[in-house]
Amino acid sequence: DSGVTQTPKHLITATGQRVTLRCSPRSGDLSVYWYQQSLDQGLQFLIQYYNGEERAKGNILERFSAQQFPDLHSELNLSSLELGDSALYFCASSPTQEYNEQFFGPGTRLTVL
Amino acid sequence: ELKVEQNPLFLSMQEGKNYTIYCNYSTTSDRLYWYRQDPGKSLESLFVLLSNGAVKQEGRLMASLDTKARLSTLHITAAVHDLSATYFCAVVYPPGTYKYIFGTGTRLKVLA
Repeated sequence: DSGVTQTPKHLITATGQRVTLRCSPRSGDLSVYWYQQSLDQGLQFLIQYYNGEERAKGNILERFSAQQFPDLHSELNLSSLELGDSALYFCASSPTQEYNEQFFGPGTRLTVL
Repeated sequence: ELKVEQNPLFLSMQEGKNYTIYCNYSTTSDRLYWYRQDPGKSLESLFVLLSNGAVKQEGRLMASLDTKARLSTLHITAAVHDLSATYFCAVVYPPGTYKYIFGTGTRLKVLA
């Protein structure tokens, strides 16, 4: 158990819908990262937050957005969902924004029907 | 754009044997990570390599980084079944940012 929690574990929804994935980092970690893992695209870095501020943006679609709240939990919002958005979404955390080891949560499996 | 290639993609090996997984990347990066993923599970950090010539070892795994050759290796010594997993490398690109580019992964199966 890495200490990073993600909810929900599984999510099934329809095309065109909007969902929110939630992540709580390890106690004391200030950085949160979001990743998408799919068979087509492999592992893709989406976005990083540090202490509430966006620090880096990867291959995140405009339909997706994220934020980190004052209590350091983070949410990833996915809207206008398409079949191709079906994937595992991982959250990771690390103590600082430097190049530390990242601790991954168990993931949220999103299925878009 | 940076490409991160791992080879082999699949590796089946006997217990007790040694083998090396290679991670090549196509442009400058001086930060490299190795992760392990068990089937249906999340990722576990193995090594963080932050400079040219860095070498780290944990148990039967040893990782090294050659930034001039744009190459990292993950060496497995005397493999055991418990090492069966998919191994990913990831680099930071562009340098100085916090963006991570992952390799394709190497699926390792250690046969008893």
